[in-house]
Amino acid sequence: ELKVEQNPLFLSMQEGKNYTIYCNYSTTSDRLYWYRQDPGKSLESLFVLLSNGAVKQEGRLMASLDTKARLSTLHITAAVHDLSATYFCAVDIFGNEKLTFGTGTRLTIIP
Amino acid sequence: ETGVTQTPRHLVMGMTNKKSLKCEQHLGHNAMYWYKQSAKKPLELMFVYNFKEQTENNSVPSRFSPECPNSSHLFLHLHTLQPEDSALYLCASSPSRQGNRGGNEQFFGPGTRLTVL
Repeated sequence: ELKVEQNPLFLSMQEGKNYTIYCNYSTTSDRLYWYRQDPGKSLESLFVLLSNGAVKQEGRLMASLDTKARLSTLHITAAVHDLSATYFCAVDIFGNEKLTFGTGTRLTIIP
Repeated sequence: ETGVTQTPRHLVMGMTNKKSLKCEQHLGHNAMYWYKQSAKKPLELMFVYNFKEQTENNSVPSRFSPECPNSSHLFLHLHTLQPEDSALYLCASSPSRQGNRGGNEQFFGPGTRLTVL
């Protein structure tokens, strides 16, 4: 059974600081997705990573995938308040494309 | 209208009521999904439809009954629910579950906030 773990579960950080959210998964896969969810809202797709070494960046967020380590990271650079949200990673396996989600990381940016 | 839409956005129902949630996608996708999101729990996949056929039922109680009349519409019929069924119900769609090497990114609707009294 595919398991996806994120850490930390909660993260408070000051504006202007850098931090990284980690996503580990238990089964070989090269298909990983990052989503953002604002309180009371739906999930918004951020990044799709489909190969080992894939790196994608959008604004202050950068995601990477290491399929050998079964690890993805979401790096936040010089955080600003509007990045406060819950971030989920999700993994699926080619041929059985059921997305398995991590538990989410609730990020709070403090002014 | 674009993307994935869901109605109603909020629903309050008693345990003896029957109601339905509706989801519509305007993305030309072939797969649709129902998820349940409860407070302090991971996102739970409930049902998957691929080309209108149900391909996954994740041990969901029979008081939840899905219906997929075509690739663009998905319903979740609710009857005799319990208070613990109160949650955010999310619908999603994706290109297909049939071996898409380009990934199977799912796009989510805004959700229906359900409260069972």
